[in-house]
Amino acid sequence: QSALTQPPSASGSPGQSVTISCTGTSSDVGGYNYVSWYQQHPGKAPKLMISEVSKRPSGVPDRFSGSKSGNTASLTVSGLQAEDEADYYCSSFAGSSSYVFGTGTKVTVL
Amino acid sequence: EVQLVDSGGGLVQPGGSLTLSCAASGFSFSSHYMSWVRQAPGKGLEWVANINRDGSGKYYVDSVKGRFTISRDNTKTSLYLQMNSLRAEDTAVYYCVTNLILGSKTFDIWGQGTLVTVSS
Repeated sequence: QSALTQPPSASGSPGQSVTISCTGTSSDVGGYNYVSWYQQHPGKAPKLMISEVSKRPSGVPDRFSGSKSGNTASLTVSGLQAEDEADYYCSSFAGSSSYVFGTGTKVTVL
Repeated sequence: EVQLVDSGGGLVQPGGSLTLSCAASGFSFSSHYMSWVRQAPGKGLEWVANINRDGSGKYYVDSVKGRFTISRDNTKTSLYLQMNSLRAEDTAVYYCVTNLILGSKTFDIWGQGTLVTVSS
């Protein structure tokens, strides 16, 4: 039950793209297509942005997209906007009704 | 409106106990798994526990096994987390969460969180 590995920070200018990686093992990310991504603004509860690797819930802009290759999942934010500045966390189902979250990435819009 | 309202947090001494509650509304509570996720101050998210629809299946992260107990009351549409033998490292905001997207194994609805501080 070790946390998934994410880069501590990422940044981009408005309009640019930023990609965040999320590396796990064959027991979590690589073993299931149940990777989710969450956005968290300071002092707020997390918000679901991507489920099942690449599915966007209703209301989430199509600037947000997800993918997975092997034990690594990725979140890409295209056309960065000021309101995208936040912390982002990945999570994965890890079997036996358990879950594991990533270490978190702070995205800064320059 | 779908809503989860967390309550019960507070200051407790090491070794003490506390019970968190989560009041659910706006969806068919008994049809969904429920979970607790926590976040230590300035740290990342950590899944703590979940419970199946009828309460017969309970699952925990290793660090709380034997100390925390998750439960639910479907007649009251409420979720609980009984926390015993609390440690300083249990200090965190605790979120009640659920998944309305059946089969997706994600957390799409979050409570506002309740802060638990373990300190003497």
